[in-house]
Amino acid sequence: AQKITQTQPGMFVQEKEAVTLDCTYDTSDQSYGLFWYKQPSSGEMIFLIYQGSYDEQNATEGRYSLNFQKARKSANLVISASQLGDSAMYFCAIRANDYKLSFGAGTTVTVRA
Amino acid sequence: KAGVTQTPRYLIKTRGQQVTLSCSPISGHRSVSWYQQTPGQGLQFLFEYFSETQRNKGNFPGRFSGRQFSNSRSEMNVSTLELGDSALYLCASSLRDSKNEKLFFGSGTQLSVL
Repeated sequence: AQKITQTQPGMFVQEKEAVTLDCTYDTSDQSYGLFWYKQPSSGEMIFLIYQGSYDEQNATEGRYSLNFQKARKSANLVISASQLGDSAMYFCAIRANDYKLSFGAGTTVTVRA
Repeated sequence: KAGVTQTPRYLIKTRGQQVTLSCSPISGHRSVSWYQQTPGQGLQFLFEYFSETQRNKGNFPGRFSGRQFSNSRSEMNVSTLELGDSALYLCASSLRDSKNEKLFFGSGTQLSVL
């Protein structure tokens, strides 16, 4: 079974600043994928970024980057130049040999003007 | 390209009734999975379908069932509804049968059981 831990229930960030969301995972599988999703108050789960366990380079997607530290089983999300529209719940998830996504509890990000 | 479409967006039912939720994946996607989201339990996996076959099932009672059609559209059914079934039900689709494939979600169906 896979497990995701997100230790930050909520965070505040000033507009235009960067924020790092923590994610640690636990799996016995050697091959797995790590995902980050954003869920605004509307409820839709928006895909942000993906990192494969064998990818040596950290994934980047626009203002999103993933700080992948395999030995520490860590996959932190960095959002650069925060915008007011970034205010949402953010979920880290892992998908391994059982193919299902296992999610963390989420981190609420509030961007202040 | 249209995203994942879930209907209806909102549903209100009473205990004991049954409900069917629909999910149309992104065109060309063959894998569909379902998740339940509640404030207490968070996001939990329900089941996954690929090419009309259920590949994986989460720890939910038999009242929860689903199916996938030949056009990859999927339906989820919950019978004998209970108050605890009130949740946001999210559907996700992916292109291929791979754990490294990106999953894209719909807007969800908000089910309220009274």
